[in-house]
Amino acid sequence: ETGVTQSPTHLIKTRGQQVTLRCSSQSGHNTVSWYQQALGQGPQFIFQYYREEENGRGNFPPRFSGLQFPNYSSELNVNALELDDSALYLCASSSRGLTNTGELFFGEGSRLTVL
Amino acid sequence: ILNVEQSPQSLHVQEGDSTNFTCSFPSSNFYALHWYRWETAKSPEALFVMTLNGDEKKKGRISATLNTKEGYSYLYIKGSQPEDSATYLCAFISGAGSYQLTFGKGTKLSVIP
Repeated sequence: ETGVTQSPTHLIKTRGQQVTLRCSSQSGHNTVSWYQQALGQGPQFIFQYYREEENGRGNFPPRFSGLQFPNYSSELNVNALELDDSALYLCASSSRGLTNTGELFFGEGSRLTVL
Repeated sequence: ILNVEQSPQSLHVQEGDSTNFTCSFPSSNFYALHWYRWETAKSPEALFVMTLNGDEKKKGRISATLNTKEGYSYLYIKGSQPEDSATYLCAFISGAGSYQLTFGKGTKLSVIP
């Protein structure tokens, strides 16, 4: 058990719709990052939040956006869903700030299917 | 775009065998390397975070080495057990940028009882 929980675990959407995925970080962790894992690929970095500010973004379009709340929980929002957005979305938290020299604690992921 | 390669992609070993696999990463701007174990239907679990060239880390029967000059890390499992069956991921962090993790595709290990 990592103490990181994600919801929902599975969901199905259609093209053009919007989705919000949620992540509750481990207690005391002020940094959260999101990853997309498509079939047959390793997790790809989407973005990272530190103390409610986005710090670092991967190669994802602006329709991928996020928030981190004062309690350090986080949301990932994806607008105008495309078929290629079908993937497992992982959230990870840490207490070691921006440089990621400490281990990340992952949730079990949210499996998104876009039809 | 940073290139992190893991080999082999998958392997099957008999219970009791020792095994190892490789993570290759850029040899410039090294900052840190992470190893994670990911069992099916669970969350990835951290094994090691390595930061210094020549680092060797050990956790039970699992150990890892790091060569930042040539850009590779080895993960070793001694006396494999069925519970070691998982996908092993490495992730490279460059010191030039926002310290994001760039993952390889993983090595899927199956230990046959």
